[in-house]
This record gives sequence, structure tokens and C-alpha cells, in this order.
Amino acid sequence: AQSVAQPEDQVNVAEGNPLTVKCTYSVSGNPYLFWYVQYPNRGLQFLLKYITGDNLVKGSYGFEAEFNKSQTSFHLKKPSALVSDSALYFCAVRAYPGNTPLVFGKGTRLSVIA
Amino acid sequence: DVKVTQSSRYLVKRTGEKVFLECVQDMDHENMFWYRQDPGLGLRLIYFSYDVKMKEKGDIPEGYSVSREKKERFSLILESASTNQTSMYLCASSFSHGTGGAETQYFGPGTRLLVL
Repeated sequence: AQSVAQPEDQVNVAEGNPLTVKCTYSVSGNPYLFWYVQYPNRGLQFLLKYITGDNLVKGSYGFEAEFNKSQTSFHLKKPSALVSDSALYFCAVRAYPGNTPLVFGKGTRLSVIA
Repeated sequence: DVKVTQSSRYLVKRTGEKVFLECVQDMDHENMFWYRQDPGLGLRLIYFSYDVKMKEKGDIPEGYSVSREKKERFSLILESASTNQTSMYLCASSFSHGTGGAETQYFGPGTRLLVL
């Protein structure tokens, strides 16, 4: 079975400060890991993914995520938060090898305060 | 750019009605998915399809069915709508598993369904 945990329902950060949105996962086998963002009344937009190779993955809008196999984590980070980053963020995982669909976390709401 | 469109952004239906939600993608993707999104529960997979005329149950298929007669179109059907099916419904598509499972899913804008 595969699962994803996003331990924080809400993260608040001041504009200009670094932000971290946490994600831990559980899979049998190797993980493919994804981050998506959802703005109000919109569908999910792809931010970045880890497949293999470099543990630090860079994505859209200045976001990056670090894969840590020993801690089974894939935290999303950004050096300097913008008010426009305020949104709902989802982490997702699928096991490889395998043929199962993505499993999503419950989401973390990020609020960046000016 | 990948485009996934859903037939309605907002829909209001009565209990017991048969409801059709349509999803169309324009990138020749083999895989298509239907999710529902509820506050505090995240995204839950209802049904998915890896090819035309194929369908597989996700985590919460009860009360739903699907149809995939053409590659680009994946329909979600609520046979007899109930108030507990009030939710945001999201469609997604991706290339096939020939990519090794690392394919990105692309989402439509969602349909917010209210069942009265």
C-alpha cells in the first residue's frame, strides 16, 4: 500500500520569509513523488516531481523540493514567499515498479501574509 | 499546452437525478481519472481508465459509474444523485505507463456539484 501524510493543515508565513510545506510518504518499492498547487476555484497545477537522480528538484514559480529517502520525506520549499503563493498544496506518491494510480495527501493550506 | 476541460464549472441537481459530468482532453493521453475533493479529505480517486473502453475502480466508486467510448473523453455518471455526493469533481489525464510510471497528471478546472 502507498500513502502520503501532510502533517500540517495550515502554514502561515510572512512575505519574504522562507517557506516549507511538509510531506512524508510510505510505499513498497521506490517512490515517484509530486507536488501540485491549487488556487481558489481552480484545478490542480503541477509544480514539480522527483523521479530519480538529484535529491533536490526545482520546479515552477521558484519552488523546490528535497527528497530524503532515510526520512521518507519530500518537503516543498521556497526561499522567499510571495502573497501570490497563498494556495492549497498537495503532495502525491506512486510506487515504482507498479501500476497503481497516484495517491494524494489531504493538502496543506499556505497563507502568506504581507 | 495540455488542456483538460470539464463540461460545467457549477452544477445544481436534485436528489435522485441522473447526473453526467464530462471531461475532454486534447493531448491524446491514454490515462484518465476522476477524483472528488472534499475539505479535510483531500483528493479521493473514484474511477480511472488506462485505455478506451477500459475502466477500473478507485477508492470510492460506490454510487458512480464511468464511460470511455473515445480516447479523449471520460464521463462520470451519478446514477441517482444524493446529497452526500455534493462535492468538487476533478478530472485528470496523463500519458500511458510506457513512461515508467513517472508521468505527470494534468487536471481540469473542476466541477462544483451541489445536490439538493
